[in-house]
Amino acid sequence: DSGVTQTPKHLITATGQRVTLRCSPRSGDLSVYWYQQSLDQGLQFLIQYYNGEERAKGNILERFSAQQFPDLHSELNLSSLELGDSALYFCASSVGQGAEDTQYFGPGTRLTVL
Amino acid sequence: AQSVTQPDIHITVSEGASLELRCNYSYGATPYLFWYVQSPGQGLQLLLKYFSGDTLVQGIKGFEAEFKRSQSSFNLRKPSVHWSDAAEYICAVGAWGQNFVFGPGTRLSVLP
Repeated sequence: DSGVTQTPKHLITATGQRVTLRCSPRSGDLSVYWYQQSLDQGLQFLIQYYNGEERAKGNILERFSAQQFPDLHSELNLSSLELGDSALYFCASSVGQGAEDTQYFGPGTRLTVL
Repeated sequence: AQSVTQPDIHITVSEGASLELRCNYSYGATPYLFWYVQSPGQGLQLLLKYFSGDTLVQGIKGFEAEFKRSQSSFNLRKPSVHWSDAAEYICAVGAWGQNFVFGPGTRLSVLP
């Protein structure tokens, strides 16, 4: 158990819908990262927040947005969902904001878009 | 463009045999290098990481990796594989202020 929690574990929805994925980092960690893992594209970095501020941005679509709240939990919002958005979405957390900080991964949310 | 390649999609070894998983990268900045393991239905767990210094890095679960700058490689090794090592192994590259880039992963199967 990494100490990072993600809810829900599974999500099934329809095209065009909007969903929210939630992540609670390990106690004391200030950075939260979001990743997408799909069969065809592998693991891709989406976005990083550090202490409530956006720190780095990766291959995140405009239909996706995220935020980190004062209590440091984070939400990833996915809208106008398409079939291709079906994937495992991981959240990770670390103490600091640098690449040298070990990232601890949550168990993931499996999103299925029908 | 930054990239990470793992030439072997799937490797099968017998329990007790040695293991080497290959990772090659293309990265403009001085990279930080990582190996993660992912069991089915699980998140990623960090096995080891390299930032600087000794190019042979020891990790958890008896794994080690060697950084070779001239070959842009960071291969993962284990002298004797256990059945519980069966999993997906993912190599990643990062740098300060830059995004992480992950390899496609190598799936390891272990024969009894």
